[in-house]
Formats: sequence, C-alpha cells, structure tokens
Amino acid sequence: QQPVQSPQAVILREGEDAVINCSSSKALYSVHWYRQKHGEAPVFLMILLKGGEQMRHEKISASFNEKKQQSSLYLTASQLSYSGTYFCGTEIKTSYDKVIFGPGTSLSVIP
Amino acid sequence: EAQVTQNPRYLITVTGKKLTVTCSQNMNHEYMSWYRQDPGLGLRQIYYSMNVEVTDKGDVPEGYKVSRKEKRNFPLILESPSPNQTSLYFCASSLSRQGAYGYTFGSGTRLTVV
Repeated sequence: QQPVQSPQAVILREGEDAVINCSSSKALYSVHWYRQKHGEAPVFLMILLKGGEQMRHEKISASFNEKKQQSSLYLTASQLSYSGTYFCGTEIKTSYDKVIFGPGTSLSVIP
Repeated sequence: EAQVTQNPRYLITVTGKKLTVTCSQNMNHEYMSWYRQDPGLGLRQIYYSMNVEVTDKGDVPEGYKVSRKEKRNFPLILESPSPNQTSLYFCASSLSRQGAYGYTFGSGTRLTVV
C-alpha cells in the first residue's frame, strides 16, 4: 500500500525546476507533502483533498489527479533551502484514518 | 510555542530492557501517531490514536505498545527491545483525522538496541 515516489534522488543547480511524483495503487482521499532536512523532523508543506486541486507553499506547488491516483510536487526556481528529502503521504479512501508515507525523494540543490 | 515534544532524543539500551519514549503535544490535537524511519523505507506507522483511550495498530506494531490516557500524551513502550527495533522514531499529531489536517512531528528519538 505504500505509495511509489519518483525519482529516488535528484540534484539541481540553483534556479532550476524539478518535479517529484507520487502514485498509489489505491483510490485516494488525500495526499500530503512533507520536507525533511537532514537530522530534523519532517515538516508539513501542504495537503490536497480533491481531484484537480492545486496547492502552493512559497514557490512549491502540487497537484492531485484523483482519477490517476497520483500527485506531483513542483519546485520552481529552486533555492539552496529546498534541499532535503520530500515525502508524500497518502490517505486511502477505504482507510482514511491512516497516512501512509512513500519512501522519499532526496533533493539536493547546489550553487 | 505549538509543538510536539519527544524524549529522549537519543537512547542506547540493551536487548530486553524495557523502555518508554514519551511524546507530548500542546496543541489540543485529537490525533496522535508513532512512526519509525529506516533508510530506504520511509516512515512506517507503528500505532495511532484517534482520541483519549482510542488506539489502533499501524503497519508495524509488533514489539510495541502505546497508551492514551490523556489527550496531550502518547507514550511508546518497548517491553523487550530487540536489535531490529534500532531506528529513528517520530511522534506526530494532527488536529483531527476528520477533514484531513497535516501532521506536526516531534524532533525524533534515535534508538539503538545492542
């Protein structure tokens, strides 16, 4: 039931864009996105509740395609502070009281 | 400051010696949960609690116990720790699972069982 994230890792130069994908084999009630910096706790970025919904946190945005059971996180004009591991968390429609996290995508932004 | 507080941050213990990791939140959140984080596996849910005296198993509950006697506290108990429970543990809370709110995580507890 764990969602699949791609890519596993990505290296960007400052100012470049990136997309992180999250897909599930189950129908989804919601998708969460979190960022975890090395040695720190995960920090909540945003939640998407409806198909077609798009949310934004600073220059990071996300979309939710309910039919495809997928969500994508868009990092625009990346900054050094964006470095970290990004996790999606999915709530399955048949078990909405649990958030199951993906394995994470490691993002490194270099000068 | 709104936060989830875990203690201890680091713990080294021996196999079989009972231990408790405490978790407390000051946000009046209904929902609390424990996760363990292992390289390549992401965050896996151990137990969760929808409210006081209501707890349920997550995906990897074996070897763990929890209790929720007060709304703010959700301790994780390892009755007889084993080396395969060496991991980074996070407590998280949320206003409610109804309506789907984001989680606030504690700072983590790095546990080593030798």
